[in-house]
Amino acid sequence: TQLLEQSPQFLSIQEGENLTVYCNSSSVFSSLQWYRQEPGEGPVLLVTVVTGGEVKKLKRLTFQFGDARKDSSLHITAAQPGDTGLYLCAGAQEDSNYQLIWGAGTKLIIKP
Amino acid sequence: KAGVTQTPRYLIKTRGQQVTLSCSPISGHRSVSWYQQTPGQGLQFLFEYFSETQRNKGNFPGRFSGRQFSNSRSEMNVSTLELGDSALYLCASSPEVAGDPGDEQFFGPGTRLTVL
Repeated sequence: TQLLEQSPQFLSIQEGENLTVYCNSSSVFSSLQWYRQEPGEGPVLLVTVVTGGEVKKLKRLTFQFGDARKDSSLHITAAQPGDTGLYLCAGAQEDSNYQLIWGAGTKLIIKP
Repeated sequence: KAGVTQTPRYLIKTRGQQVTLSCSPISGHRSVSWYQQTPGQGLQFLFEYFSETQRNKGNFPGRFSGRQFSNSRSEMNVSTLELGDSALYLCASSPEVAGDPGDEQFFGPGTRLTVL
């Protein structure tokens, strides 16, 4: 059973479209991280959100942490082929000695 | 600063064999974590080492073991390989406590293990 559920599992859209991917849980997290992984490489951190309701922007990417710190979303505006990759969310819980809990990921393909 | 390096990058073994994977963290990083990644399962946490001590452990059988050396380099070993052990094994290093707010994990490119 995944403590962090990511949806959709797979998304293929045209360049220029907008999209949102979700990371949901019934558990509370002290922080949540988003990573992007490209083929043949390890995940790379995009952002860390800590405060409930927090919104962070990274160019065309907008990350939001839910008010109750149980969920998060990643919104991409005007997607580009370079956004293609596997997007992973990972949450830290104080109860688990801050060991990160990972979602299964959303595989995103942006077609030119 | 050099990134996290993992060797070998690719490995093919047969059932019943054992394998050792190596990870060199970023200089100055003392925490090293190991993950198994398979399609649809995401990253499954194996264990974390800090200053040569295993600090956290995931839910994997005893066939999976690891260690960390005084220079923070780490190895993981899988004995009596099974077909289901085929996966990408990722190593990540961080300066201190993995998962601390704002504490980033830096990943290596992984070792692709295929068990035939």
